[in-house]
Amino acid sequence: NAGVTQTPKFRVLKTGQSMTLLCAQDMNHEYMYWYRQDPGMGLRLIHYSVGEGTTAKGEVPDGYNVSRLKKQNFLLGLESAAPSQTSVYFCASSPFGQGVADQPQHFGDGTRLSIL
Amino acid sequence: GQNIDQPTEMTATEGAIVQINCTYQTSGFNGLFWYQQHAGEAPTFLSYNVLDGLEEKGRFSSFLSRSKGYSYLLLKELQMKDSASYLCAVGAAGNKLTFGGGTRVLVKP
Repeated sequence: NAGVTQTPKFRVLKTGQSMTLLCAQDMNHEYMYWYRQDPGMGLRLIHYSVGEGTTAKGEVPDGYNVSRLKKQNFLLGLESAAPSQTSVYFCASSPFGQGVADQPQHFGDGTRLSIL
Repeated sequence: GQNIDQPTEMTATEGAIVQINCTYQTSGFNGLFWYQQHAGEAPTFLSYNVLDGLEEKGRFSSFLSRSKGYSYLLLKELQMKDSASYLCAVGAAGNKLTFGGGTRVLVKP
């Protein structure tokens, strides 16, 4: 029962370094999402994808890039890390919604990222 | 724009009932979700309302009034393990969710 798997779980970076966070899901879900969670601010959507080869901006996309080359994987990249990007990052996936009804999103365990 | 409000923190006694309110003003609406998140863990899905009324799932119930932009999550027979944050989220096109800031519930013996 893997579900949504995020790697790495923890990472410390220096300002200006780059890195890629990997999200993999084994549920054959169409939609995938990247969120960041900061104290007192809830979950905020960074980027999302409605299918393989497609990506779109969410609420807070600046400083991040994403790619969805395979249906099961969704990568989040930080080209030049900044201290403001210190956060907990969650990946989620969901199946295609039926009509106007959305489907629940399934979350990974998160990546705790610190930028010094 | 999107605006979702819920209380920051609530405290209740083991065995009691707690009601967490959520009000929303959003540009689209494809349903309202409640998630539970224990400290340091991932959010997990609790309930979903797309039509007005009450949905019951064991000790947890969720209510929706679309005309009032209002929902609540009712937790009955509180247990210590229910101490967690409860996230209200509104769904929109593309299965996107907009989350409120979360309500931290502390259950005391």
